[in-house]
Parts: sequence; C-alpha cells; structure tokens
Amino acid sequence: EAQVTQNPRYLITVTGKKLTVTCSQNMNHEYMSWYRQDPGLGLRQIYYSMNVEVTDKGDVPEGYKVSRKEKRNFPLILESPSPNQTSLYFCASSWGQENTEAFFGQGTRLTVV
Amino acid sequence: QKEVEQDPGPLSVPEGAIVSLNCTYSNSAFQYFMWYRQYSRKGPELLMYTYSSGNKEDGRFTAQVDKSSKYISLFIRDSQPSDSATYLCAMDDYKLSFGAGTTVTVRA
Repeated sequence: EAQVTQNPRYLITVTGKKLTVTCSQNMNHEYMSWYRQDPGLGLRQIYYSMNVEVTDKGDVPEGYKVSRKEKRNFPLILESPSPNQTSLYFCASSWGQENTEAFFGQGTRLTVV
Repeated sequence: QKEVEQDPGPLSVPEGAIVSLNCTYSNSAFQYFMWYRQYSRKGPELLMYTYSSGNKEDGRFTAQVDKSSKYISLFIRDSQPSDSATYLCAMDDYKLSFGAGTTVTVRA
C-alpha cells in the first residue's frame, strides 16, 4: 500500500529537549516536504527536499532542521523546541515539484510545555 | 496579505444540500488548482485538481477555476454525512500554497 508514515503520532515534550519526527514514504517519490497546521492559518510549509541531499527552506523554517540522506526518509528535527512550535505536523511526498498530488502522512500532534 | 484566502467557516448544511466552497488568490503564477479533503485526525487527501480555467466534474463534486478573477470553487451536490470534513484549497506554481480550510458538517 502506497503510504507516508510519520512517527510518533502524538508527542508531549518540554522546552529545549531535542526531538525528531520521522517520515518515510514507499512510493519512490523525489519530492518531500514538512508542513505545520495551525487553526486559522492552514498548512504552512516548513522545509522541502527535491531529492537526496537537496533541501530548502519553506515559509516557516525557523527552529527546524531536516535531512535527506535517503530517498524514502525525511526526518524533521527540533533542536530546542519552544511552546510556539506546538502544532500539528504533516509530512508529504509527491513525484515532483509540480505537485498535482501530494500524499500526506497521518500527522504528528506535538505539544511543547 | 495571504497568497490564498479561504473562509474557515464552519459550514453546517442538511443532508442533500449543495455545499459551495471557494478560495481567492493573488499569485498569477499559480498553474494547478486543487482541493484536498481532510477528515478529523487524518492527513489531507487530494479530492480534485484542475490545470486551467473552467469546470471539472467528478461524481457529486464540481471544481471551477476562474483565472481572470483569481477565484476557485468546489461544489458538492447531494451532500452526505460522510462529506463532513475540512476542505482545503491548494495552488501550485513551484510549491503548494494552501488555504486555511473550511470545516463542513452535513447533518443527517
């Protein structure tokens, strides 16, 4: 089954404690991205990757890092989480940058206290 | 000003009603226009996409794009309780830009 898998689904952490949210896709997609979803603001892109070892900032990259060492994996790293990073996070993948269909993971609900 | 504006609602309609959703945008470079549906506690899923101005139908769903007015719409005919979800418009030039999403409830 074609899918994007994120882990964990839910996470509560304390300010400043480094965390990683994993994302893996099994569709051999080149393009992967991370979004955060906040009420009234919709989905905002954090980072994206056009291929292995190629990453770039989206609209709201501050406080986040990513890496793309393998085509299938695209982890999101919060080096020092803060309460304003409390949000719902989605990983997505697609064939190319001209997205006519992005496949989304199930989401990760992050709470930073 | 946001690139994509969408009324967040919420919208509540009786079963069988026509649901009308719309978005406006400011970026003339947008080429693809999409509607995603997001059920509670799930990721968004592509519902429909169009490349040009005009109408596109898929069963009970019709997507309209008016590039001259920078306005897109989604109509759901004969709405069902299973259509209750958040609907997000999305547009693409070199990356996806999403609207805020409209939450729709179809009452049985």
